[in-house]
Amino acid sequence: EIVLTQSPGTLSLSPGERATLSCRASQSVSNNYLAWYQQKSGQAPRLLIYAASSRATGIPDRFSGSGSGTDFTLTISRLEPEDFAVYYCQQYGSSPRATFGQGTKLEIK
Amino acid sequence: QVQLVQSGAEVRKPGSSVKVSCKASGGTFSNYPINWVRQAPGQGLEWMGGIIPIFGTANYAQKFQGRVTITTDESTSTAYMELSSLRSDDTAVYYCARGSWWEIQGAIYYGASDYWGQGTLVTVSS
Repeated sequence: EIVLTQSPGTLSLSPGERATLSCRASQSVSNNYLAWYQQKSGQAPRLLIYAASSRATGIPDRFSGSGSGTDFTLTISRLEPEDFAVYYCQQYGSSPRATFGQGTKLEIK
Repeated sequence: QVQLVQSGAEVRKPGSSVKVSCKASGGTFSNYPINWVRQAPGQGLEWMGGIIPIFGTANYAQKFQGRVTITTDESTSTAYMELSSLRSDDTAVYYCARGSWWEIQGAIYYGASDYWGQGTLVTVSS
């Protein structure tokens, strides 16, 4: 099973700043099949990025994904108040079995 | 617009079973995988398993093998997740989520999940 490790556990930033979230896999993710989700308290997750760098429908372009192999990054170029949430990465390269990272909490500084 | 509507909250005793439903609307049910993901209180997301209705064969995370059964009823566009031998640490919100799928050289890949149900809280307590 591929283990995903996200860092940092908590990221404290101010609106307008740039956020960089990391997701590292224990082995190479096939075809870079890695997704990023945003989850706000009491809500279901929302797909942001799939296949490492493709934005899902309706996702603002301040969200971008990059990386390949074992190291992936989610970047939020300029934080808006509504971006403060928990972010999860998910690999689906070992499909049909998928795994999630433990999450990064993005909080207002 | 695709919608996934899940059944309501459940309370079960340890050792019993629970079956959660997920009714889809607004799309072609049979052609898209349904995944089940759970989230214990204050914890992260955990993939439990998934199924593509037209194939009918479910795949499960090793952790849940033998305890979880995922099925679908194409006539009602509904997916089900049944978890047995419940323990207190099965207390969680259970989500269904719809993705896409494709085949590469005979291997079936489930894609990321772009539609999610509202979640069903299952509480296991004596």
